Amino acid sequence: IAGITQAPTSQILAAGRRMTLRCTQDMRHNAMYWYRQDLGLGLRLIHYSNTAGTTGKGEVPDGYSVSRANTDDFPLTLASAVPSQTSVYFCASSDSTDSYNEQFFGPGTRLTVL
Amino acid sequence: GQNIDQPTEMTATEGAIVQINCTYQTSGFNGLFWYQQHAGEAPTFLSYNVLDGLEEKGRFSSFLSRSKGYSYLLLKELQMKDSASYLCAVLEADYKLSFGAGTTVTVRA
Repeated sequence: IAGITQAPTSQILAAGRRMTLRCTQDMRHNAMYWYRQDLGLGLRLIHYSNTAGTTGKGEVPDGYSVSRANTDDFPLTLASAVPSQTSVYFCASSDSTDSYNEQFFGPGTRLTVL
Repeated sequence: GQNIDQPTEMTATEGAIVQINCTYQTSGFNGLFWYQQHAGEAPTFLSYNVLDGLEEKGRFSSFLSRSKGYSYLLLKELQMKDSASYLCAVLEADYKLSFGAGTTVTVRA
């Protein structure tokens, strides 16, 4: 089934622990993105990748890292989780060669840091 | 970055029309998206405008005025399933999306 998947669906994590959120797409999109969504703030870009092997910082990158070893996978790592990272995380992908670069979103990961 | 403003909440009756306004300030612009997001789900694409004017797609229409930094999403013949959040997003000059906080629409019988 074509699309974008994320794992885990939800997670409760102790502060200070390391956590990697997984994202995989099978649409052969060159660009991928990580957002966090918080009530009243909307979706905010954490990191992005325009193509395999390259990454860039978004609006709220602190405390997060990403890698893009291949086209399909774009994991997001929290090296040492803090309670302010409690949020819903969405991964998205797009074909940036398209004229309007529509982004397709994964189902999200609900993360709670205690 | 972008300043993107849209109302927080709107309520309407089944069968009615609702217009969700979005204003933005930008130094670069490559288009404006509207996404729909049901509670607990991912955003899904509704519309895209890059030229001034109205784009109609069934019960949903989206309008853009680039000179005014303004867009609206028009939802006609409202149905209960239209209860959701509607996200306005601007595609910046570097082709990244900046989102508004979203408008929660509640449709009542």
